[in-house]
Amino acid sequence: GAGVSQSPSNKVTEKGKDVELRCDPISGHTALYWYRQSLGQGLEFLIYFQGNSAPDKSGLPSDRFSAERTGGSVSTLTIQRTQQEDSAVYLCASSFTEDSDGYTFGSGTRLTVV
Amino acid sequence: AQTVTQSQPEMSVQEAETVTLSCTYDTSESNYYLFWYKQPPSRQMILVIRQEAYKQQNATENRFSVNFQKAAKSFSLKISDSQLGDTAMYFCAFIPNSGYALNFGKGTSLLVTP
Repeated sequence: GAGVSQSPSNKVTEKGKDVELRCDPISGHTALYWYRQSLGQGLEFLIYFQGNSAPDKSGLPSDRFSAERTGGSVSTLTIQRTQQEDSAVYLCASSFTEDSDGYTFGSGTRLTVV
Repeated sequence: AQTVTQSQPEMSVQEAETVTLSCTYDTSESNYYLFWYKQPPSRQMILVIRQEAYKQQNATENRFSVNFQKAAKSFSLKISDSQLGDTAMYFCAFIPNSGYALNFGKGTSLLVTP
């Protein structure tokens, strides 16, 4: 597509439920990144994919968080047993490999855990 | 560890005036890239300007320019002739040549008033 697409745009879930956030990167972009933006904070790196592989998962906050990427394209970030502190905007970005020209970001998913 | 510091949480400027946003960073790398991103209420991060550390010349994009002081590890953004549409969060970001994940500061909220 023309840009990075994320869905849903907004998600409200009950504490303890599982959620899936989707990212559809720009066609041809091999690198994909997930960031979390909490209120009043900067962007916190979560995970990086090169193709379908995730060389760096060091930013995932806990084992409740997981992510996968299939076909070198769409990625899904899954949060199990959501907690209130998981409430944030989850941003996805993609680039041509590790691109020093910078990333293209999606508009994010605002997750609210009630 | 690499850190990015934006010391101004909020700033305000009148339309048509000039404003400068500050950013400092800490790294032991010699080759890296610096970026300024704009995040309007739509949440999408938009690349404003990019600077390569090995280039002495300050980057410029229309009304946006940077003052890059490598020795001082400083990378400020100057917005000239401010417009109402410049109202947004501005994030400074850094990526080493050897890395892949952008490191972001906590952002500066800029309000342009009529």
